[in-house]
Amino acid sequence: EDQVTQSPEALRLQEGESSSLNCSYTVSGLRGLFWYRQDPGKGPEFLFTLYSAGEEKEKERLKATLTKKESFLHITAPKPEDSATYLCAVQAPGTYKYIFGTGTRLKVLA
Amino acid sequence: DVKVTQSSRYLVKRTGEKVFLECVQDMDHENMFWYRQDPGLGLRLIYFSYDVKMKEKGDIPEGYSVSREKKERFSLILESASTNQTSMYLCASSSNRVLQYTFGSGTRLTVV
Repeated sequence: EDQVTQSPEALRLQEGESSSLNCSYTVSGLRGLFWYRQDPGKGPEFLFTLYSAGEEKEKERLKATLTKKESFLHITAPKPEDSATYLCAVQAPGTYKYIFGTGTRLKVLA
Repeated sequence: DVKVTQSSRYLVKRTGEKVFLECVQDMDHENMFWYRQDPGLGLRLIYFSYDVKMKEKGDIPEGYSVSREKKERFSLILESASTNQTSMYLCASSSNRVLQYTFGSGTRLTVV
């Protein structure tokens, strides 16, 4: 069965304390892996798409990487405004549907 | 700026009422989706549509129906609202060329 598992469920960091969020997936083939950021009470906002193992994408303090079984979202020197829930999703070939993980709630303390 | 607009941010309805949630996108996207989001359960797909007048069931379609009469509009209908349909409802759209979804701001529905 296709599945996406995110860890940890919640993470508290001090401002400037770098860390990584994990997204493990099992899917028959991979059309794309997606990272989203979601602020409380709002819809998810797109961050990155990764298509194949070895690919990396960067945006400000965020860097997403992909292997054949998992993806990492690295946060370098986070700031309080990086506090949000980060969602990972995968898309299998032949479908436009996503399979979502349950997210990692990140809190960055000043 | 491209947008997915959901008609209401907050909605309170009574048990048994018929409820309409509207979603409009201005990006000429082919695909549209309705999800509900609940703590601990993540996003669960209710219905999706890949073309006008086309619809497919997602993972939790029971108690819901949808309508897509125009390409830009996708409506979610709760035929007879129940308290277990209290949730955050998210609409999303995507094109066949670019895989990522664009989400609306969500509708927080409370059924009392």
